[in-house]
Amino acid sequence: KAGVTQTPRYLIKTRGQQVTLSCSPISGHRSVSWYQQTPGQGLQFLFEYFSETQRNKGNFPGRFSGRQFSNSRSEMNVSTLELGDSALYLCASSLMMDSPLHFGNGTRLTVT
Amino acid sequence: DQQVKQNSPSLSVQEGRISILNCDYTNSMFDYFLWYKKYPAEGPTFLISISSIKDKNEDGRFTVFLNKSAKHLSLHIVPSQPGDSAVYFCAASGTGTASKLTFGTGTRLQVTL
Repeated sequence: KAGVTQTPRYLIKTRGQQVTLSCSPISGHRSVSWYQQTPGQGLQFLFEYFSETQRNKGNFPGRFSGRQFSNSRSEMNVSTLELGDSALYLCASSLMMDSPLHFGNGTRLTVT
Repeated sequence: DQQVKQNSPSLSVQEGRISILNCDYTNSMFDYFLWYKKYPAEGPTFLISISSIKDKNEDGRFTVFLNKSAKHLSLHIVPSQPGDSAVYFCAASGTGTASKLTFGTGTRLQVTL
């Protein structure tokens, strides 16, 4: 069974630009969550989607947004990029809302 | 405010011996706890979980212990193998928010020959 797939693996953007990251969950998984990992803050929860609805949201500014499609695939968008947005962005999926998360290998975003 | 703490940044254990990784939490609303393993350039891999109604859960070489009164959990790996060398993260969530995990800062485990 294929795992969680995130594209692209690496991305370099300039301050002020916007970026869209993509995530395909494990087949049959309907819940998708996004996390940011930085050396200073560790792994932090961004948001969670289930059946195309945002269920939970972390403490990130409105520049961070996401959505989920009817096939459970999800995208995350960051607008007006700042240097501090440089991080590893991880997507995770789960079979049901209370099942363990299974993570993808992440998208490494560098903002210059 | 670090609600989940892993106070040991690193741990070195000989192959075949027991590895014990510790985690403390402060939020009494947490009722679901997980351990993840992470290799460089990969996402975290789920290892084992425990809910607050239990005090122990086993899966092969991995056992997680939960002490609710002390707000402490630990992961035991027996016997330790070189392939276990990785960063281990403890994570916690509250009721109905299993996907909204609060992670610890991680412990780097090195299993030596």
